[in-house]
Amino acid sequence: RKEVEQDPGPFNVPEGATVAFNCTYSNSASQSFFWYRQDCRKEPKLLMSVYSSGNEDGRFTAQLNRASQYISLLIRDSKLSDSATYLCVVKTPGGYQKVTFGTGTKLQVIP
Amino acid sequence: DVKVTQSSRYLVKRTGEKVFLECVQDMDHENMFWYRQDPGLGLRLIYFSYDVKMKEKGDIPEGYSVSREKKERFSLILESASTNQTSMYLCASSIAGGPVAGELFFGEGSRLTVL
Repeated sequence: RKEVEQDPGPFNVPEGATVAFNCTYSNSASQSFFWYRQDCRKEPKLLMSVYSSGNEDGRFTAQLNRASQYISLLIRDSKLSDSATYLCVVKTPGGYQKVTFGTGTKLQVIP
Repeated sequence: DVKVTQSSRYLVKRTGEKVFLECVQDMDHENMFWYRQDPGLGLRLIYFSYDVKMKEKGDIPEGYSVSREKKERFSLILESASTNQTSMYLCASSIAGGPVAGELFFGEGSRLTVL
């Protein structure tokens, strides 16, 4: 089983829709969680950290479910500019600075 | 504005050639990383460095070496390039404490093709 798993998509949604991605992780001792965004042929950039209590940044909401070992990203009122690949990132124990990236979920927002 | 600069966006090399990928950051970050990104495999850590002249192996160090002689510069070296090293290479940096304490800042990537 992969350490971090994401549905690769693509998720094709109309503008204005709400879309949610999940990311599961295998190591129950994982400590920190992040969502990165990667535009086509660009580098990944931090979208938001994921806190235990859940957190919101504008149209984006991140949730952590430790019991079921997944994190989620909810995007409300999707914009065309939200089209990108969303990478789940998990810090796992077992090594200095060890973070594991998911393979990403591709989102395409269509007009 | 924070900046991580990779020297070459696109390279084409032949099998057996020695390849240097250079990365410079202007944020005075202690940590620097080299990843490769392949379809279906995500980003995988090759090497990282938490200080000048210090390096640690990541998940896939075989066939690679690194050099960090100055704080702002981290080089990835392929001693003898092979076709299975065709990939997108991404350099990143972060403050001390690593990605947990602060975000990873990535360069734009270097797409290497080995023929």
